[in-house]
Amino acid sequence: EVELVESGGGLVQPGGSLRLSCAAPGNIFNIHFMTWVRRAPGKGLESVAKTNPDGRDKWYADSVKGRFTISRDNSKNSLYLEMDSLSVEDSAVYYCAKEEWWHFDIWGRGTMVTV
Amino acid sequence: QSALTQPPSASGSPGQSVTISCTGTSSDIGVYDYVSWYQLHPGKAPKLMIYEVNKRSSGVPDRFSGSKSGNTASLTVSGLQPEDEADFYCASHAAGNSVVVFGGGTKLTVL
Repeated sequence: EVELVESGGGLVQPGGSLRLSCAAPGNIFNIHFMTWVRRAPGKGLESVAKTNPDGRDKWYADSVKGRFTISRDNSKNSLYLEMDSLSVEDSAVYYCAKEEWWHFDIWGRGTMVTV
Repeated sequence: QSALTQPPSASGSPGQSVTISCTGTSSDIGVYDYVSWYQLHPGKAPKLMIYEVNKRSSGVPDRFSGSKSGNTASLTVSGLQPEDEADFYCASHAAGNSVVVFGGGTKLTVL
């Protein structure tokens, strides 16, 4: 079964920054929309940021707009999430997911961020 | 506050059927056939179960089925098995929203 692999999570002080990475098999990455989804303790899933296949178009949840930046490097089959001005409310497991017509068919196991 | 509303818990005995509801509005579930369902087991990657309301993802047993009526979507699990115990989330495309919106999740317990 194909999975994505997230990394970069950890413990950070409020106001700090963190950069998450997601590695994907090349044959599933370059031509697809990719999204970061998070699951905070005791809360539901939330789409955080999304990018189109060439990385030029990006969309963000209101809760992270202006603080988080999504990017991708198709030559490395990698997706990134730069997170700044982190607050306690950003503590969550962060998943990267491949998006197909408004559903996510391939996910990673997630990386934990604790603020 | 999640965009879509799910019951926090559901349960059933092995072999029984259980249905999990997901209520949205006329701006999401009511107008789009882009409802999907995900199964989350601790420590594992979330798994797509159902997409576009009632299409089963590859490898998902036919015990899992999806439907929609008005602003409410449903996931039915027939012939419950112990390994079905997990958290389930619904999701949908929503008008004016470029990202997928989710429900709050339902913890399914197999008694």
